[in-house]
Amino acid sequence: KQEVTQIPAALSVPEGENLVLNCSFTDSAIYNLQWFRQDPGKGLTSLLLIQSSQREQTSGRLNASLDKSSGRSTLYIAASQPGDSATYLCAAPNFGNEKLTFGTGTRLTIIP
Amino acid sequence: DAGVIQSPRHEVTEMGQEVTLRCKPISGHNSLFWYRQTMMRGLELLIYFNNNVPIDDSGMPEDRFSAKMPNASFSTLKIQPSEPRDSAVYFCASFFRGSTSSGNTIYFGEGSWLTVV
Repeated sequence: KQEVTQIPAALSVPEGENLVLNCSFTDSAIYNLQWFRQDPGKGLTSLLLIQSSQREQTSGRLNASLDKSSGRSTLYIAASQPGDSATYLCAAPNFGNEKLTFGTGTRLTIIP
Repeated sequence: DAGVIQSPRHEVTEMGQEVTLRCKPISGHNSLFWYRQTMMRGLELLIYFNNNVPIDDSGMPEDRFSAKMPNASFSTLKIQPSEPRDSAVYFCASFFRGSTSSGNTIYFGEGSWLTVV
């Protein structure tokens, strides 16, 4: 059974700084990994999906990396802005099906 | 597309009452998921459907919970009778499952915020 862990649970950084969020998973036989953003009182929005054949995926100021062998993924946010404040969750599928296991998320606060 | 649509957005009900949550997936998507989110347990998968057929309901907590997908554009999650510990946000999500296992983006609805008093 897939288990996903995110550390830290909360992070506060000044505006403009670059930051890294971490995600680890136990079952490395995954075919993709996704990063989501959740704003308070809202649903989840998919940010990046990395296929198992990829090492990185970029969208604007966001860059996600995937290292299956070590069971780790990182989400890099460049030049952080107050609007980036949200909870970020990663999710990995269980091998052979579409069931996603989510981490508990990292609550990010960007201080103006 | 309007995205995944859930209703009601908020519901407060008394213990013992029946609760029905509704979901309209994105048109063309053939997989649908029901998740529950709480502070204590995070996001938990309750059940998922492929082509309207329930594939895995191992996450459904008790017999009080049931889910149906009568057609490709509608699904319900029912709790009967409801209990205070069912209070949570219930999310519906959908995606298109293609012929390969490479995966596609999953889209979530805004959630149904349930409070059972």
